Amino acid sequence: GAVVSQHPSWVICKSGTSVKIECRSLDFQATTMFWYRQFPKQSLMLMATSNEGSKATYEQGVEKDKFLINHASLTLSTLTVTSAHPEDSSFYICSAPTHPGRNTGELFFGEGSRLTVL
Amino acid sequence: GENVEQHPSTLSVQEGDSAVIKCTYSDSASNYFPWYKQELGKRPQLIIDIRSNVGEKKDQRIAVTLNKTAKHFSLHITETQPEDSAVYFCAARGRGGGADGLTFGKGTHLIIQP
Repeated sequence: GAVVSQHPSWVICKSGTSVKIECRSLDFQATTMFWYRQFPKQSLMLMATSNEGSKATYEQGVEKDKFLINHASLTLSTLTVTSAHPEDSSFYICSAPTHPGRNTGELFFGEGSRLTVL
Repeated sequence: GENVEQHPSTLSVQEGDSAVIKCTYSDSASNYFPWYKQELGKRPQLIIDIRSNVGEKKDQRIAVTLNKTAKHFSLHITETQPEDSAVYFCAARGRGGGADGLTFGKGTHLIIQP
């Protein structure tokens, strides 16, 4: 079945630095990937839709200059949190459609990346 | 965009009893309703889903029902076991969530009491 791998699984950084999180589809091609953010004991909030070969689509209220998304290939999307601050500390999870091209709605999630900004 | 409400936020049941979690959605055009189980610090795992052309779906101890008219859907877990303890999220795919983007409910922390 579809497998989505995310790296790193956790990262600690100083305030003001930038952090890059990678999301890879291991055995299938994903023209679209989704980035979610989850605060402790809260729900998953869709941040943006990553589109291979074009600009990402951001949800309302998400700063595109703060959260840079690059979908460089059909198997890789990256999320870069620029000039990170403590309030950016969260669990970031990517996902990809289980059945690319069929638009079934089913998503497979990566393992998630826990970011802690000191 | 789509708005998904989920209740209750916490549900505690005795082992062996049934658990029911309910969700409502706002976008009448939504056509896909999955349920995810998430254990602490791990990725959400799809446990069951239902589409708008079906009223009920069952997979062993888990079932989901959908009422399109009322715009609500529910998760039913029978004969609960300790390993069912987790946070459960409902979701809906509406017009505001991108090509396949899902809007999630706030989650239900299910606690199975031994």
